[in-house]
Amino acid sequence: GIQVEQSPPDLILQEGANSTLRCNFSDSVNNLQWFHQNPWGQLINLFYIPSGTKQNGRLSATTVATERYSLLYISSSQTTDSGVYFCAVVGLTGGGNKLTFGTGTQLKVEL
Amino acid sequence: GAGVSQSPSNKVTEKGKDVELRCDPISGHTALYWYRQRLGQGLEFLIYFQGNSAPDKSGLPSDRFSAERTGESVSTLTIQRTQQEDSAVYLCASSLASPYNEQFFGPGTRLTVL
Repeated sequence: GIQVEQSPPDLILQEGANSTLRCNFSDSVNNLQWFHQNPWGQLINLFYIPSGTKQNGRLSATTVATERYSLLYISSSQTTDSGVYFCAVVGLTGGGNKLTFGTGTQLKVEL
Repeated sequence: GAGVSQSPSNKVTEKGKDVELRCDPISGHTALYWYRQRLGQGLEFLIYFQGNSAPDKSGLPSDRFSAERTGESVSTLTIQRTQQEDSAVYLCASSLASPYNEQFFGPGTRLTVL
């Protein structure tokens, strides 16, 4: 099946800093989503972005489908941005009826 | 409702007991998914329902796991003869029509098997 790799696995930032999270995937995709899992375990939808670029406030994302990667940008980070960021995809061939998740990036934003 | 809801939010059970977990999808979403998240891990797919089609059960880890869905509404995930390795958060998601659409997740049920 499709493989999803995220980097970095862990990230510590000072409040106000910017960061870029990366997601590489091994096949063409029909669905790519970025999620933020908060400390209470809730998965919050950030972006549905199988291709192109989107922005939502301090967050933006870009998926370059032909090169099989996606980037999540966090600007002017805040302590409430802490948590785990997951990238998840549905593969075009043999992807099945499911999102395949990466192992996540654990982000901690400090004052 | 506005989002996906799940109940109970927490369930503690003894090894060998059966448990039932419930999911209410977003109104109008015909596709429903169950995933499992073990501590410190990513999410693993369990099962997918779409309308009246036969469910995709390819992710169920053993025959102790089963799920049902009534039409295009509520779904229940049943785990029989629970084992300690079943301890995890069980998350339900729903979407329009197919997995290619954006999936929205409920808050999960945290299952602890003693």
